[in-house]
Amino acid sequence: QVQLQESGPGLVKPSETLSLTCTVSGGSINAYYWSWIRQPPGKGLEWIGYIYYSGSTNYNPSLKSRVTISIDTPKNQLSLKLSSVTAADTAVFYCVRHEYPSGGPDVWGLGTMVTVSS
Amino acid sequence: QAVLTQPSSLSASPGASASLTCTLPSGINVGSYTMYWYQQKPGSPPQYLLRYKSDSDNQQGSGVPSRFSGSKDASANAGILLISGLQSEDEADYYCLIWHSTAWVFGGGTKLTVL
Repeated sequence: QVQLQESGPGLVKPSETLSLTCTVSGGSINAYYWSWIRQPPGKGLEWIGYIYYSGSTNYNPSLKSRVTISIDTPKNQLSLKLSSVTAADTAVFYCVRHEYPSGGPDVWGLGTMVTVSS
Repeated sequence: QAVLTQPSSLSASPGASASLTCTLPSGINVGSYTMYWYQQKPGSPPQYLLRYKSDSDNQQGSGVPSRFSGSKDASANAGILLISGLQSEDEADYYCLIWHSTAWVFGGGTKLTVL
């Protein structure tokens, strides 16, 4: 059964770049779409963007200027970079899988908490 | 960007049914969309429950009990998650999701209390 594991620094300073990695195990990263979703403490879910195994991407318009999602298929990993972070970017970040662009995610990672603070 | 409206909270008794709504803004027709539903318990990631577009186009998530079902109310321009035979373990946050204008849009979530 496919499993997703997010990893990265739990604390990032304001104005810096948040960097996270998602490692896919128990299945191939190929032929699927992979998204990042975030959830501020006590709040709802927000889609950040997705990447296809081929490398094509689509980002949330509200975050597009600050987001880069990349993929490393030999390593079965995808990455998220979010630049110029502020306290408002503090959240749990989830890596998720979906079968097609408009298909809702069917597999979620456990998530990783990132706090933006000096 | 579309905003999906969900009641912030809902309470129901064990054994009863709960109807969770997700209302689309005027101008976008719920009939045109597949709506996804997720359940999230404290400290855990959301879990996929089901997707619903129509009675002939819907899917139950793997292992999700049949007492979770989807529907739509066209007059209210809303998607509905119906949970029948409520159990204490159903107490959780529930989120709806649609794909709109090449972006995913989540509802704000409903906290369901079973008491």
